[in-house]
Amino acid sequence: SAVISQKPSRDICQRGTSLTIQCQVDSQVTMMFWYRQQPGQSLTLIATANQGSEATYESGFVIDKFPISRPNLTFSTLTVSNMSPEDSSIYLCSVLRDVYGYTFGSGTRLTVV
Amino acid sequence: DQQVKQNSPSLSVQEGRISILNCDYTNSMFDYFLWYKKYPAEGPTFLISISSIKDKNEDGRFTVFLNKSAKHLSLHIVPSQPGDSAVYFCAASRTKTSYDKVIFGPGTSLSVIP
Repeated sequence: SAVISQKPSRDICQRGTSLTIQCQVDSQVTMMFWYRQQPGQSLTLIATANQGSEATYESGFVIDKFPISRPNLTFSTLTVSNMSPEDSSIYLCSVLRDVYGYTFGSGTRLTVV
Repeated sequence: DQQVKQNSPSLSVQEGRISILNCDYTNSMFDYFLWYKKYPAEGPTFLISISSIKDKNEDGRFTVFLNKSAKHLSLHIVPSQPGDSAVYFCAASRTKTSYDKVIFGPGTSLSVIP
């Protein structure tokens, strides 16, 4: 299955600032996905990132808050903008592998203070 | 409305015994079901899956059972080992071979006691 490198692994950020999370895959993939796992909650899909097109956002998530870039078939970034403590979560990138379902990165643990 | 439910937030099992993790879903359009395991500070890792045309899939110590009429699936781990201690997520989607949004349950934290 794919190997996904995600960074940073964790960060503590000030309220009102922005953080960009990077996701690198070891092979070309059409779709990359960004998830959020809030404390004590399940994984929630934020958006789907296709190379060469605008990301598709799920209900409750907007581009101004979570801008996504997908410059090529192996890389994507998610920015968490104008952060508040409610944005404290684990953010995960993921790719789809038919046989193995989804492969996830190790996640970015974000704490907003 | 939670489409995938895992009603037991936690489960403790003695080493060597069977662990049974349960999952219920509400959307009858779901066609493909997956289990993921997550250790702290790591991303979820794929464990086992089952499509709706089957009622059982086995991989080593892990077996997933699907009861479509009851909209229920379960993951059996036999024998349980301390290294199995993790959070287990049940997930479902409408298709396996092409993209469809995967819905995750809230997870069950399994502790295997030596």
